[in-house]
Amino acid sequence: KQEVTQIPAALSVPEGENLVLNCSFTDSAIYNLQWFRQDPGKGLTSLLLIQSSQREQTSGRLNASLDKSSGRSTLYIAASQPGDSATYLCAVWTGGFKTIFGAGTRLFVKA
Amino acid sequence: DTGVSQNPRHKITKRGQNVTFRCDPISEHNRLYWYRQTLGQGPEFLTYFQNEAQLEKSRLLSDRFSAERPKGSFSTLEIQRTEQGDSAMYLCASSPAGGEQFFGPGTRLTVL
Repeated sequence: KQEVTQIPAALSVPEGENLVLNCSFTDSAIYNLQWFRQDPGKGLTSLLLIQSSQREQTSGRLNASLDKSSGRSTLYIAASQPGDSATYLCAVWTGGFKTIFGAGTRLFVKA
Repeated sequence: DTGVSQNPRHKITKRGQNVTFRCDPISEHNRLYWYRQTLGQGPEFLTYFQNEAQLEKSRLLSDRFSAERPKGSFSTLEIQRTEQGDSAMYLCASSPAGGEQFFGPGTRLTVL
């Protein structure tokens, strides 16, 4: 059974700091992994999608990596800003058409 | 607007009543997903459609829950005989084959 874990559960950093969010999954047989952000009471906003054959994806200040063999993905946020404050979720799409989410990392960037 | 839309955005109902939610996906997406999210947790997968076919259904989806996607366009999620434990945010997403999932704003259900 696929399980997705995100560490840390919460993180508070000063503005301008570079940071790394971690996502681990127990079954390496995934089709893709997607990172999202969620603001309180809102839906999810897609940040990056990494296909199983890819190692990383970049979008602006965000870089996501994928190591299937070790069951890990990281989301790197450069030069954090207060507007980056949100919950960040990773999700893996498995065989059988299910998408399994982690519980998320709540990020607070202090001005 | 080409995003995923969901209606209603909020629903308050009494225990035992039936409720129905609607999701309109991005028009060119053939895949549609329903999730349920409670406070402090990630979304839990409920069901998946490819075009009009329901190909996957979570064990979380009891026989009180039913979903449809007639003609492979919009989808509805119905909960019969609601219970207080059904209170949650219900999220819908759509994607092209193998692509990014795009989420709607969700429907927040409160069962009194």
